[in-house]
Amino acid sequence: DQQVKQNSPSLSVQEGRISILNCDYTNSMFDYFLWYKKYPAEGPTFLISISSIKDKNEDGRFTVFLNKSAKHLSLHIVPSQPGDSAVYFCAVAFKAAGNKLTFGGGTRVLVKP
Amino acid sequence: DTGVSQDPRHKITKRGQNVTFRCDPISEHNRLYWYRQTLGQGPEFLTYFQNEAQLEKSRLLSDRFSAERPKGSFSTLEIQRTEQGDSAMYLCASSLERPRTGLYEKLFFGSGTQLSVL
Repeated sequence: DQQVKQNSPSLSVQEGRISILNCDYTNSMFDYFLWYKKYPAEGPTFLISISSIKDKNEDGRFTVFLNKSAKHLSLHIVPSQPGDSAVYFCAVAFKAAGNKLTFGGGTRVLVKP
Repeated sequence: DTGVSQDPRHKITKRGQNVTFRCDPISEHNRLYWYRQTLGQGPEFLTYFQNEAQLEKSRLLSDRFSAERPKGSFSTLEIQRTEQGDSAMYLCASSLERPRTGLYEKLFFGSGTQLSVL
């Protein structure tokens, strides 16, 4: 049972344009929603998060949107830069479950110069 | 600022051998997590510790797998009688749980141990 799904395995975008990554989840009780970024041969690094009581969180070029009624999470990167080329994972957490993360399958982003 | 450290970075072993991986979390972090990632998939939760107590184990953690965190600092993950299906990246993460804040404390990941079982 996949609790978190990223339906687009890859995304290609021109430098300077917007990258939009999407994620769907099944359980309306999750407390936190996060995005992690992963380069080859490295561990995932935290990018941005949002709690279930909010619908938007912004940090520089990165904005996360949460649509609870649709159980949908998205990440906007604008403007996209070549250094943003990586695999992006969405993740969800229950605070009562030790904050452990459940990850989606990832979306590989390629930003073309 | 030392992050999460994992050793070794790569391990090649023959089927049936035992392997052990080590994770050193960020020093003040009281929670430690183990994940496994296979190619094209997201990391999958295996187990986590609060200090030295192992609080949860995933169904993925068969009886050939054992994890310890004896003094609430570093942790080891041992796989006995390795199988080819155990080939994966094993990731360790740590976080600082502050019960009274009600805030989510994000996980910091190490670079992982890449296991290849021949």
